[in-house]
Amino acid sequence: ETGVTQSPTHLIKTRGQQVTLRCSSQSGHNTVSWYQQALGQGPQFIFQYYREEENGRGNFPPRFSGLQFPNYSSELNVNALELDDSALYLCASSLWDRPSYNEQFFGPGTRLTVL
Amino acid sequence: DAKTTQPPSMDCAEGRAANLPCNHSTISGNEYVYWYRQIHSQGPQYIIHGLKNNETNEMASLIITEDRKSSTLILPHATLRDTAVYYCIAWGPNSGYALNFGKGTSLLVTP
Repeated sequence: ETGVTQSPTHLIKTRGQQVTLRCSSQSGHNTVSWYQQALGQGPQFIFQYYREEENGRGNFPPRFSGLQFPNYSSELNVNALELDDSALYLCASSLWDRPSYNEQFFGPGTRLTVL
Repeated sequence: DAKTTQPPSMDCAEGRAANLPCNHSTISGNEYVYWYRQIHSQGPQYIIHGLKNNETNEMASLIITEDRKSSTLILPHATLRDTAVYYCIAWGPNSGYALNFGKGTSLLVTP
């Protein structure tokens, strides 16, 4: 059973550009969540997809968008990059089949630097 | 959604029990207490969760007070590899089923 993988590992972009980050969920998982972690801070929830539909969103502007594909891989897209978007982006997947239990398995993250 | 409060840092000697407290005085009846940890340069890792009863697994024990306003994560025999940031999170419908990480407790296990 493979774990959660993310690509690329590191990425450097300039302000105003667009970026796509990718995540491959653990086999059999139906939910994927994305988080932004600035240096020295805890991860901040961006949004969550359940069976290809967005079912929760944190306090992030619309220029942060996502997709979940039928094979449960997913993408995080960020448009019009700003310097403050520099952070570690984490993807987490889970098999959410009970209201009480949602153990999320995190990938290693993508380090995005915006210059 | 319920906010959790944790001490910013703690130390523990290797081999001793590490007891990490968390206050969640505004937690609602249908919110669970989840604990995750993040070792430096890695993604967070699930440890344990509970609603009302105390819970134990191979990693840790979770003690929740009867009024559910606070809890304690116990690592029974801390090792150097347990050095990490530990996050206590109230999870449930009030949080939109999102993991809202705070700043956590940075635990340093020393030889």
